[in-house]
Amino acid sequence: QQQVKQSPQSLIVQKGGISIINCAYENTAFDYFPWYQQFPGKGPALLIAIRPDVSEKKEGRFTISFNKSAKQFSLHIMDSQPGDSATYFCAASPDSGAGSYQLTFGKGTKLSVIP
Amino acid sequence: DAMVIQNPRYQVTQFGKPVTLSCSQTLNHNVMYWYQQKSSQAPKLLFHYYDKDFNNEADTPDNFQSRRPNTSFCFLDIRSPGLGDAAMYLCATSRQVGFEKLFFGSGTQLSVL
Repeated sequence: QQQVKQSPQSLIVQKGGISIINCAYENTAFDYFPWYQQFPGKGPALLIAIRPDVSEKKEGRFTISFNKSAKQFSLHIMDSQPGDSATYFCAASPDSGAGSYQLTFGKGTKLSVIP
Repeated sequence: DAMVIQNPRYQVTQFGKPVTLSCSQTLNHNVMYWYQQKSSQAPKLLFHYYDKDFNNEADTPDNFQSRRPNTSFCFLDIRSPGLGDAAMYLCATSRQVGFEKLFFGSGTQLSVL
């Protein structure tokens, strides 16, 4: 119930293409869904986050799509650039109560954008 | 302008020799977290502090301890490191819990010989 399943494990995209990473969850108490970006040798950094009251959130080239009924959410990177090459983690947490501090991370997707 | 600072960047210790990792923050955040991240895996929460209140995850080994002497500093003590404890240790902070952005440090890469 606490798992967040992320796919694919790795992804290679041509420069200018669209990168799509998918996540699915089971715990209906999850109410906050962030994506973190991690470069080698660095800590993760928040990229974008969504709450389930909206189905889509866009920030620049990054878009989260959220499907509450299917319990799935995805990250789309438009016009992917070599500088986007990193590992991306989806995550989820409840909004309140016990466990609201606890971000459950997916296993990560290593994205490589090739010129 | 680093906001969450971890020292050292790399730490090598011997099997069974106690080691301490440190974290400091300039954000004045209430919550500080320690995560363990093994190669190609997701970060795993070990424990967190809400102010001075310590919260241990149920599956965190007793070998791992933590101290938070003040708002700015937090330490991770590994009493008797085993080979399986070799990992990146990430410190993170947030203003509050729930719906809050985590600010991560760059981590300490621990090697156990």
